[in-house]
Amino acid sequence: EAGVAQSPRYKIIEKRQSVAFWCNPISGHATLYWYQQILGQGPKLLIQFQNNGVVDDSQLPKDRFSAERLKGVDSTLKIQPAKLEDSAVYLCASSLVLGGSGANVLTFGAGSRLTVL
Amino acid sequence: AQSVAQPEDQVNVAEGNPLTVKCTYSVSGNPYLFWYVQYPNRGLQFLLKYITGDNLVKGSYGFEAEFNKSQTSFHLKKPSALVSDSALYFCAVRDLLTGGGNKLTFGTGTQLKVEL
Repeated sequence: EAGVAQSPRYKIIEKRQSVAFWCNPISGHATLYWYQQILGQGPKLLIQFQNNGVVDDSQLPKDRFSAERLKGVDSTLKIQPAKLEDSAVYLCASSLVLGGSGANVLTFGAGSRLTVL
Repeated sequence: AQSVAQPEDQVNVAEGNPLTVKCTYSVSGNPYLFWYVQYPNRGLQFLLKYITGDNLVKGSYGFEAEFNKSQTSFHLKKPSALVSDSALYFCAVRDLLTGGGNKLTFGTGTQLKVEL
């Protein structure tokens, strides 16, 4: 099966500019996640969707970050305006279901590396 | 909130020797624990998980992990390391969301370097 697709792979912007990342999950996966991975740290969940609804966005800096999954498939994560501390790899992941035991395996994309100058 | 700790930033081992990457957890209730691996410029890949049952869990690429409730540990192991095992390894735990559902919370990662 095709994996989780993300684009762009790399992006360099100036602070206060905007950027958008796109994710296409594995076909049939209802749950989609955006994680932020800062160098030297583990991935941190930003937002989690179940189909086109938001399950959790408690760690999303809503003053500058936004995300949508309008048709329950593709998703876009936007940052506007970007800050230096937003430099990180943004990982998209998907899984079959949200609920149940929580034993679902996440499949990750290769990530989008953002550098803010 | 549930959490995991990876006490070692880096582990070095010679090819052919056994390797261990350490993880300890802090949870309320029964832990659901995972190991993922990340190769350079790649996303995280699932290795194995512990939900219940046998304390020794076998996973991909010859890796296994031992769940130890008394020591609250879930160490990743491999009997004979390969140079190609060199990568960044993350331990993760199921964490419950306030509004229901669950998510994965990751440790800080351990860089494994296998040398000839």
